[in-house]
Amino acid sequence: GDSVTQMEGPVTLSEEAFLTINCTYTATGYPSLFWYVQYPGEGLQLLLKATKADDKGSNKGFEATYRKETTSFHLEKGSVQVSDSAVYFCVPYTAGGSYIPTFGRGTSLIVHP
Amino acid sequence: DTGVSQNPRHKITKRGQNVTFRCDPISEHNRLYWYRQTLGQGPEFLTYFQNEAQLEKSRLLSDRFSAERPKGSFSTLEIQRTEQGDSAMYLCASSIQGAPTEAFFGQGTRLTVV
Repeated sequence: GDSVTQMEGPVTLSEEAFLTINCTYTATGYPSLFWYVQYPGEGLQLLLKATKADDKGSNKGFEATYRKETTSFHLEKGSVQVSDSAVYFCVPYTAGGSYIPTFGRGTSLIVHP
Repeated sequence: DTGVSQNPRHKITKRGQNVTFRCDPISEHNRLYWYRQTLGQGPEFLTYFQNEAQLEKSRLLSDRFSAERPKGSFSTLEIQRTEQGDSAMYLCASSIQGAPTEAFFGQGTRLTVV
């Protein structure tokens, strides 16, 4: 089945630092990929997505490019803010059959002023 | 549409009591998912519906848990004879079948069993 491997957290950064959260995946099909974010005390929401190879998703200064050759969809941001402190989840989607969004533990990001 | 709505937001119950949670998905979404999330963990899949049909249940879902979606719109999750280990955030999500589209999540119902 499909699965992702995310770097373990917490990731602790100072404000304005560069962020990379690694995500590599295995998929039996040809996946689309999503990054979800969960801010403290809030529900999950979609941060960005990519539906095909070399697609770049971007939102709120975050970017991720879906690399088929390296099976990666790393999340990056050039300059993090305290308000980016949250838990980030990389989730694959494969069309066909009974798709169930499957979440790992996510990567916790803590940004200090 | 205001997104996925869950009620109540918080529930405190005594061990052994039954509780029921409600989820109202986004109106045109035919898929509905229930998850459970505990502190420091990601959401764990419990069950999902396509329209009114319950298509899959996790092995996490004991016999004390039951979910319904009688008319393919809102869904309920009932826990009978609650135990302290049931304390968690219960999340509902909905999506459209058949497209690489994301799941939209509600704010969750936080259950505390005392």
